[in-house]
Amino acid sequence: DTAVSQTPKYLVTQMGNDKSIKCEQNLGHDTMYWYKQDSKKFLKIMFSYNNKELIINETVPNRFSPKSPDKAHLNLHINSLELGDSAVYFCASSQSPGRGRGYTFGSGTRLTVV
Amino acid sequence: AQSVAQPEDQVNVAEGNPLTVKCTYSVSGNPYLFWYVQYPNRGLQFLLKYITGDNLVKGSYGFEAEFNKSQTSFHLKKPSALVSDSALYFCAVSVSGNTPLVFGKGTRLSVIA
Repeated sequence: DTAVSQTPKYLVTQMGNDKSIKCEQNLGHDTMYWYKQDSKKFLKIMFSYNNKELIINETVPNRFSPKSPDKAHLNLHINSLELGDSAVYFCASSQSPGRGRGYTFGSGTRLTVV
Repeated sequence: AQSVAQPEDQVNVAEGNPLTVKCTYSVSGNPYLFWYVQYPNRGLQFLLKYITGDNLVKGSYGFEAEFNKSQTSFHLKKPSALVSDSALYFCAVSVSGNTPLVFGKGTRLSVIA
C-alpha cells in the first residue's frame, strides 16, 4: 500500500503545453505539500494545503495552480510550461499544519520540458 | 525566518569508518530538526527528528544525530558506515512545528568499499 502516490512518474512535454500532476495520500493526514527539486537537488516548498485550504503559497509563478478536491488529494496544474519548469516535483503529507512530526513523501514526478 | 546550512556538498568515507554529515540551522523560535535520506530516483525517507528531550536522537539504519543548541547544529552520525548508506542526505527545520519544513541543499554521502 503506497502511502503517498504521485502520477505520472515521468512527464515529457513541449514548451507552452498545460499539464497536471496528481497526488493522493492514504494516511489520513490533514496537510499536503508540493516541493520542487531542481537540477542541483535543492528542495523548495511551493504550496501547502490543510483540509483543502491553501495555507502556504511561496513565490511561485501564477502558471502553477494547486487544486485540492478533498484532503486526501492535492493536484498541481501547470499552464504554459517553460524550460525552467523542468525539475522533480514531490508531493508530501503530514498530520497537521506544518507539524514536523515527519513528512511522508511521494516518489516524485520528473518533469522535462523540451 | 528559518534556514538550514549543509556546508559539505560531498562526504566520502571508507566502509566501516564512522561518518558525520554536518548541519547548522537558523530559526526564530524553537527548532524542530529532521534528517531525510534520498536514494536515486526515489522520494525522501525520514531518518530521525529532534523536537525536545535528549540531545542525542537515534533513528533508522543505525543513524543518530546530536542537537547542539549553543552551536545551532544537528550533525548526523553513524559509528560504522556501509556501502548501502551511499545516498543524498537532507537536513530540515521547522519552527516549533508550525511552519513547513525548510531543507538544506543536501550532502551526497559516498561510502567506499
